[in-house]
Amino acid sequence: DGGITQSPKYLFRKEGQNVTLSCEQNLNHDAMYWYRQDPGQGLRLIYYSQIVNDFQKGDIAEGYSVSREKKESFPLTVTSAQKNPTAFYLCASSMGVGYTDTQYFGPGTRLTVL
Amino acid sequence: GNSVTQMEGPVTLSEEAFLTINCTYTATGYPSLFWYVQYPGEGLQLLLKATKADDKGSNKGFEATYRKETTSFHLEKGSVQVSDSAVYFCALGSGGSNYKLTFGKGTLLTVNP
Repeated sequence: DGGITQSPKYLFRKEGQNVTLSCEQNLNHDAMYWYRQDPGQGLRLIYYSQIVNDFQKGDIAEGYSVSREKKESFPLTVTSAQKNPTAFYLCASSMGVGYTDTQYFGPGTRLTVL
Repeated sequence: GNSVTQMEGPVTLSEEAFLTINCTYTATGYPSLFWYVQYPGEGLQLLLKATKADDKGSNKGFEATYRKETTSFHLEKGSVQVSDSAVYFCALGSGGSNYKLTFGKGTLLTVNP
C-alpha cells in the first residue's frame, strides 16, 4: 500500500536535547512538507522540499532543520533552539508543487518536551 | 497575504441532522480550496477539493462549492452520522512555484446518536 509513514508516534525529549522525526513516503512524490499543529490551531508550515537536495523555509522554521537526501525521506530535526517544541508534527507529500496538487498527510508524531 | 477563516466550534449535532461549516478566504489570484478531516490522534485526510470558481467538490456525502464572488467554500452534508465526528479544516493552496497550504483553525464536530 502506498502512503506516508511517520515514526515514532509519540516522542519524549528532555529540554536541551535535539530530536529527529522520521517521515517516509512510497508515493513517488517529488514534494514533501513538515507542519506543526498546536491545540485549537490550524497547521503551520515549517519546511518544504520540492526536489531532492533542495528545501525552503516555511513560516516557522526557526529552531528546526531538515534534509532531503532521498526522494522518499524528509527527516525533521527539532533542535534545542526551538523555544516551545511540544506539539503534533505532521509530514505531507504531493506529486508536485502546482496549486492544484493535493497534499497527503502522514499519521503524525506527538512530541512532548519534559 | 492569504488567510482562511472558518466558523468557530465546537459544533454539536444529532445524527441525521444537516451540517454546514462556513469557510471564507482571502487570497491573491485563483487559489485551490480544500477540506481536510482529522480524526482523534490521527493525521489529516483529504475530504474534497475544488480548483476553480463554481467547481463543486464532493465525497462521502459532503459537498462544497467554490464561490469566487463571496470568497467562500462552505462544507455541507445532508445527514450526519456519529462516525463524522472529527475536526474539519478548510485550506487554500496558493499559486506560483512556492506552493503552500494555508489552513483555517479547524472546527470540531461532534455527532450524538
